[in-house]
Amino acid sequence: EIVLTQSPGTLSLSPGERATLSCRASQSVSSSYLAWYQQKPGQAPRLLIYGASSRATGIPDRFSGSGSGTDFTLTISRLEPEDFAVYYCQQYGSSPETFGQGTKVEIK
Amino acid sequence: EVQLVQSGAEVKKPGESLKISCKGSGYSFTSYWIGWVRQMPGKGLEWMGIIYPGDSDTRYSPSFQGQVTISADKSISTAYLQWSSLKASDTAMYYCARPQLERLRADAFDIWGQGTMVTVSS
Repeated sequence: EIVLTQSPGTLSLSPGERATLSCRASQSVSSSYLAWYQQKPGQAPRLLIYGASSRATGIPDRFSGSGSGTDFTLTISRLEPEDFAVYYCQQYGSSPETFGQGTKVEIK
Repeated sequence: EVQLVQSGAEVKKPGESLKISCKGSGYSFTSYWIGWVRQMPGKGLEWMGIIYPGDSDTRYSPSFQGQVTISADKSISTAYLQWSSLKASDTAMYYCARPQLERLRADAFDIWGQGTMVTVSS
C-alpha cells in the first residue's frame, strides 16, 4: 500500500499570500495518478486537481498542481478567504487507493 | 444534474447490522465505478472500496476487507455499504463518490454524495 505523507500539518497564512502544500509518496505513483481535494467543515471533499497537474472543471487557475514519481505539490497562488480549508492528496494508480492525512490551511 | 444522494444519519448500538445507500442520478449508473470513503470524527479520509455496478466487480482496501460489504442494485441505481455487526469504532461519516470517467476505476472522484453519519453507541 502506498503511504502518502502531507506537510506541513497546518499552514497559517494571510489572504493574498501563496500557499505551497506537499505530498510525498512511499513509492512511485504510477502515471502521476495523483489528485488533490479541498474539504470545508461540514462538506464533502471537492476535487481540485487530477493527474497531478490538471485542474478539475470549474476550479480557479490560482490552484495548480505539479510533481511526479514520489513528490507532489499543490500551490495556491493567492489565497482567497474561501480557500481556508483542509486539503488532501490521493493516489489512485495503485490498489488500494490511499489518501494523505491532510493539510489545514488556516487564517493567520 | 449528476448527483449522488445518500441515505440519512443512523444511530445504532454495537452488534447491530446496518446498510446505508447511495443513489446515483443524471448519468448511466452502470457505466461508472462508485467508491466509499470513511472519515472518522476530526480525522482524514480513508478509501474503503469500490464497485462497478455494471457487473458488481468489487475491490476492497485490506483495512476494510471482511469488515464491510459493498454492493449495488443497478435496477434502482443504488450502491450500498453494509455492516453485519457494528462496533463503536465504526462511528464516522461515510461518503460515496464517483470517478470522472466511465468504466475507469483508476480515476479521481469528482462527484461526491453528501455523506451519511453513522453513530454507534450503547
